[in-house]
Amino acid sequence: QSALTQPRSVSGSPGQSVTISCTGTSSDVGGYNYVSWYQQYPGKAPKLMTYDVSKRPSGVPDRFSGSKSGNTASLTISGLQAEDEADYYCCSYAGSYSWVFGGGTKLTVL
Amino acid sequence: EVQLVESGGGLVKPGGSLRLSCAASGFTFSSYSMNWVRQAPGKGLEWVSSISSSSSFIYYADSVKGRFTISRDNAKNSLYLQMNSLRAEDTAVYYCARVGSTGTLFDYWGQGTLVTVSS
Repeated sequence: QSALTQPRSVSGSPGQSVTISCTGTSSDVGGYNYVSWYQQYPGKAPKLMTYDVSKRPSGVPDRFSGSKSGNTASLTISGLQAEDEADYYCCSYAGSYSWVFGGGTKLTVL
Repeated sequence: EVQLVESGGGLVKPGGSLRLSCAASGFTFSSYSMNWVRQAPGKGLEWVSSISSSSSFIYYADSVKGRFTISRDNAKNSLYLQMNSLRAEDTAVYYCARVGSTGTLFDYWGQGTLVTVSS
């Protein structure tokens, strides 16, 4: 299983919107609507932000939204806040009870 | 409150073995599938292994197949990862993660335990 492809870094100013892409194949992202996104601060455990492409767990602000088109999923963060600065990882179900993660994207809030 | 607490990490020589544990609390452990996910220093997340709630279904990433064994003890609310024939590339923080009720996400993670494989 090859890792999903994410940009290494993105940036935006407070109040702006940023979108992080996650490209896989028809065997993972394109084959299932089971893409999730995780936020990770340095030295901390990942935190679930969205799942099943576009659903949000309770407690996650609606500024975070997920989508998918073909083999590419995206996480959009609107109304950027300083606290959003973190690493973000996408994850897709890849069949046979296995998962594949993206390489991670570092979000910088300017 | 759901809590997952890993332990057992440390420094081990190449070819050596280590057993990781994950103590679960705050939920009915026996009702959930569990996973191990690792993160090499400065790198991304990598799924390692999954085990279903009753241990009926077990899966491994190709990178650890034949060397690692996942298991659980529902009576002790604990998840384990036996790691044998360790290699330098196994150096990572190992997280245990609970699979959410839909079976398609990891909804709770432990704080991780560091495994360093070095001579």
